[in-house]
Amino acid sequence: AQKVTQAQTEISVVEKEDVTLDCVYETRDTTYYLFWYKQPPSGELVFLIRRNSFDEQNEISGRYSWNFQKSTSSFNFTITASQVVDSAVYFCALSLNAGGTSYGKLTFGQGTILTVHP
Amino acid sequence: EAGVTQSPTHLIKTRGQQVTLRCSPISGHTSVYWYQQALGLGLQFLLWYDEGEERNRGNFPPRFSGRQFPNYSSELNVNALELEDSALYLCASSLDQGGGYTFGSGTRLTVV
Repeated sequence: AQKVTQAQTEISVVEKEDVTLDCVYETRDTTYYLFWYKQPPSGELVFLIRRNSFDEQNEISGRYSWNFQKSTSSFNFTITASQVVDSAVYFCALSLNAGGTSYGKLTFGQGTILTVHP
Repeated sequence: EAGVTQSPTHLIKTRGQQVTLRCSPISGHTSVYWYQQALGLGLQFLLWYDEGEERNRGNFPPRFSGRQFPNYSSELNVNALELEDSALYLCASSLDQGGGYTFGSGTRLTVV
């Protein structure tokens, strides 16, 4: 079975601080995808990134960056120079590209509530 | 391009009643997924429909069911509602099972 763990339940920072959200995953499969989603108060899950298990390149998109390390089964997310609009719940998720009972579903972590204070 | 649309946005039902939630995927997406986000329980996979067929379901009782129509829209039905069914129900669509899931804004169901 797959498992995604986000150890940080809540993080509170002041605007312009950098913040890293941790994500650790467990799977026996060698082919999988990792995701980060943002859930603002409106409830909609906003897609941030998808990473293939064969691609360990780190990625940067504006103030967002992601660090994927297969050796530690981690896929951490860093927001540089945080802003109030970054306040939301952030979810890390895993999907398998295989058959069986795991096929076609996302396994989510419990989420990290990020609050950025002005 | 219109995103994933869900209706209704909010719903209040009485325990024991039945409810139907609706989802329209992004045009061209053939797969629809349903997730339940109950308070304190995180996001739980409910159902996956593709090309009109149920392809996978999560660990939920049979009173949770659904279907997908020829235009790829989908309904989620919940019978014999229980208080713990109160949750945000999110629908997502995708072109493939590897990712690119786009979520709707959800239907918030309250069972009293």
